[in-house]
Amino acid sequence: GAVVSQHPSRVICKSGTSVKIECRSLDFQATTMFWYRQFPKKSLMLMATSNEGSKATYEQGVEKDKFLINHASLTLSTLTVTSAHPEDSSFYICSATDGTQETQYFGPGTRLLVL
Amino acid sequence: GQQLNQSPQSMFIQEGEDVSMNCTSSSIFNTWLWYKQDPGEGPVLLIALYKAGELTSNGRLTAQFGITRKDSFLNISASIPSDVGIYFCAGRGGSNYKLTFGKGTLLTVNP
Repeated sequence: GAVVSQHPSRVICKSGTSVKIECRSLDFQATTMFWYRQFPKKSLMLMATSNEGSKATYEQGVEKDKFLINHASLTLSTLTVTSAHPEDSSFYICSATDGTQETQYFGPGTRLLVL
Repeated sequence: GQQLNQSPQSMFIQEGEDVSMNCTSSSIFNTWLWYKQDPGEGPVLLIALYKAGELTSNGRLTAQFGITRKDSFLNISASIPSDVGIYFCAGRGGSNYKLTFGKGTLLTVNP
């Protein structure tokens, strides 16, 4: 149980284009989902928290117009990196919690490379 | 904000040895979680701790939630090559579900 998937697992795009990353909870309903960014050999940095049906809460320094988050259902959240630039290249990881246990389950991550 | 100090930063051990790593916080946490991350993958939950003093095992792994609620440790007994990876502690201290992560411990096991 508690499986979270992400799609795509890796994506390469041209500078200026937008990229959408999907995060799905496969066997539970995720009341809250989180989006993290991880740089090489670094820890996870929380970008935003999203609750189903409401606007995401962004961490300080994260541009909400740059990183659009939608949590339209209890099993799906999407992160769209708009007008991507090379500095947006990173490993993006989502996690989900069902609210009954105070535990986050992570997806396998998405490697984004912007050329 | 809350800060987590995780140590050691890295460890090089021989197969069969026991390993211990710990995290300390500047403030109280309500939940401690230990994750393992392999290269290019997302973190995988190893052990979750919800009560001060709680000692929990998962196979060769044992973790404890410190009595002061400001620390936790993870022990791995009889290490094997597949234990290689980065281990992260994470704590939750408020009413929301946000986690604060340690900087990770890179474990290398020599066969």
